[in-house]
Amino acid sequence: SYELTQPLSVSVALGQTARITCGGNNVGGKNVHWYQQKPGQAPVLVIYRDSNRPSGIPERFSGSNSGNTATLTISRAQAGDEADYYCQVWDSRVLFGGGTRLTVL
Amino acid sequence: QLQLQESGPGLVKPSETLSLTCTVSGDSISSRSYYWGWIRQPPGRGLEWIGSFYYGESTYYNPSLQSRVTISVDTSKNQFSLNLSSVTAADTAVYYCARQTFYYYDTSGYWEYYFDSWGQGTLVTVSS
Repeated sequence: SYELTQPLSVSVALGQTARITCGGNNVGGKNVHWYQQKPGQAPVLVIYRDSNRPSGIPERFSGSNSGNTATLTISRAQAGDEADYYCQVWDSRVLFGGGTRLTVL
Repeated sequence: QLQLQESGPGLVKPSETLSLTCTVSGDSISSRSYYWGWIRQPPGRGLEWIGSFYYGESTYYNPSLQSRVTISVDTSKNQFSLNLSSVTAADTAVYYCARQTFYYYDTSGYWEYYFDSWGQGTLVTVSS
C-alpha cells in the first residue's frame, strides 16, 4: 500500500528557511496538502494542492512537489512556527504522513 | 463562520461502542458542496483518517477500520456521528471531525480531497 515518509524532526535557526519533505512513490503525480498542528490544538491547513495557500496563511509558507518528494518550505522561520507538520494525499483513501516536528532554534 | 464541535463520552469500556457526534454551524452538511469526515490521533502519534461522507451519495471508510466503523447523518440537527464498535485501548485517541474539500480532475481521473476546517477534537479513552 502507498506510504508517505516524513523526517521525524527538522530544526531551523530563527529567521532562516526550513524545509520539510514528504516522500512517496511518484508523489509528484498526486496533489499534496500540508497541515500545521501546534500542541493541544487541531491541525490547520497551510498548503493545499502542492503549493496553494489558504486565506490567512502567511506568504512565508510555500510548497512544491516533483518526482518522489513534496516539500513544505517555511521562510524567515519564527518561534510561532514551531509545530508538527503533516503531509496528506489521496490514494484510494485519505493518507497522512507520519508528521515532522519543527523546532526553531 | 464555519464551526465544528465534537461531543460524546470521554471514557468507553473495552469491547463497547464508541459514539461521537459532530455539530456543524455556518454550513449545511446536506449542501453537497463538501465531504465531511472523521480523523483521529492517538496520544503522541500522528493523524489517521477514519472515514468521510458526501450527503446523499457516498460514505467511505479507512480499510483498516471499515469493519468496525459507521458514519451516520442527522440533517435536522446538522450533525453527523461516528460509531466505532468493539473498541480496545488502541482506539484511545483525540477524535476530530472536519470539512473536506474535494475536486475531480476529468483529464486524469484523479480525485483530490483535503480538510479545510477542523473541530477542536475530543479525547476518548478506552479503559475499564
